[in-house]
Amino acid sequence: RKEVEQDPGPFNVPEGATVAFNCTYSNSASQSFFWYRQDCRKEPKLLMSVYSSGNEDGRFTAQLNRASQYISLLIRDSKLSDSATYLCVVYGSFQKLVFGTGTRLLVSP
Amino acid sequence: NAGVTQTPKFQVLKTGQSMTLQCAQDMNHNSMYWYRQDPGMGLRLIYYSASEGTTDKGEVPNGYNVSRLNKREFSLRLESAAPSQTSVYFCASFTGGQYNEQFFGPGTRLTVL
Repeated sequence: RKEVEQDPGPFNVPEGATVAFNCTYSNSASQSFFWYRQDCRKEPKLLMSVYSSGNEDGRFTAQLNRASQYISLLIRDSKLSDSATYLCVVYGSFQKLVFGTGTRLLVSP
Repeated sequence: NAGVTQTPKFQVLKTGQSMTLQCAQDMNHNSMYWYRQDPGMGLRLIYYSASEGTTDKGEVPNGYNVSRLNKREFSLRLESAAPSQTSVYFCASFTGGQYNEQFFGPGTRLTVL
């Protein structure tokens, strides 16, 4: 079983839609979690950290469910510019990050 | 600040050739990383350096060597390139701590024929 698993998608949504991605992780001792965004042929960049109580950044909301070992990302009012791959990331041991394979989002006009 | 820089951006090698990918960061980070990214596989850690003077294997180290030249620079060497090493290579740096961001370079697209 992979340490971090994501649905690869693609998720095809119209502009203005709400879309949610989930990610599961296998190491119950994991302490911190992130969502990174990767545009086509570019490097990954931090989108947001995921806090235990859930957190929001504009149109983006991240949630953590430790009991079920999953993380979610909700995007409201999707924009064309949201089209990208979203990587679920778990902070592992020895200062290493473990990356999921990513979920691809395509927002259409 | 340039952040994390990588050279070259693109490279084509023939099987058996060697090359070194260069990476440098100007953020005074202790930790540096080399990943490869292949379709459907996500980012896989090749080697990392938690601090100047130390290096450790990641998930897929075979066929690679690294050098942490100083705090700024971390190079990745392919001694005898193979077609299976065709990939996009990303260098990253990290200040450390479980709530901090890892910064990536723009990547090197390597093709081995």
